[in-house]
Amino acid sequence: QLQLQESGSGLVKPSQTLSLTCAVSGGSISSGAYSWSWIRQPPGKGLEWIGYMSHSGTTSFNPSLKSRVTISVDRSKNQFSLKLNSVTAADSAVYYCARFGPRDGFDVWGQGKMVTVSS
Amino acid sequence: QSALTQPASVSGSPGKSITISCTGSSSDVGSYNYVSWYQQHPGKAPKLMIFDVSHRPSGVSYRFSGSKSGNTASLTISGLQADDEADYYCSSYRSSSTLVFGGGTSLTVL
Repeated sequence: QLQLQESGSGLVKPSQTLSLTCAVSGGSISSGAYSWSWIRQPPGKGLEWIGYMSHSGTTSFNPSLKSRVTISVDRSKNQFSLKLNSVTAADSAVYYCARFGPRDGFDVWGQGKMVTVSS
Repeated sequence: QSALTQPASVSGSPGKSITISCTGSSSDVGSYNYVSWYQQHPGKAPKLMIFDVSHRPSGVSYRFSGSKSGNTASLTISGLQADDEADYYCSSYRSSSTLVFGGGTSLTVL
């Protein structure tokens, strides 16, 4: 059974870069026509899609975050990563990694990682 | 990027049915059958309940069903149970290969 686990710093200073990694276990990140995605949820608010990297290596991002986001996949380590630069308090949220297929939806989720932006 | 529109809250009595709407546009819900629904209990990660507008993943109760008409998708929960009380989110594929979520609906089982 495929499992995802987020890791990274839970506290980031304003203007710095938020970095998170999602480890994939129970299956290969290279199998199937899936995209590997990041989603966030500010405290008490709804879900916001951040972006994904597809199985072919193409990326797609939320237009409102596109200029600040990088998503990469390390197939040798079976993991993928998120970098969000120039963060502000508005970027404080629970960050989820998830597997996505257009015809499957976000079918596997990590447990979430709370990231707080504060000095 | 504008979110899909969902009612902020809905409620229903045990054993009854409720429907949550998810309204988008011709750029997302109206043009693609890639609509999915998620259930989220407090402090938990979202769980996929419906994909491809109306398909249930293995293990999801038959009480959950999905449909779409024009730019609006709907999630219906029949035979409401106490454990159905949660937040529900819709999601759709959108033009330019992007994705979008609805604002979320809080379901209260009375």
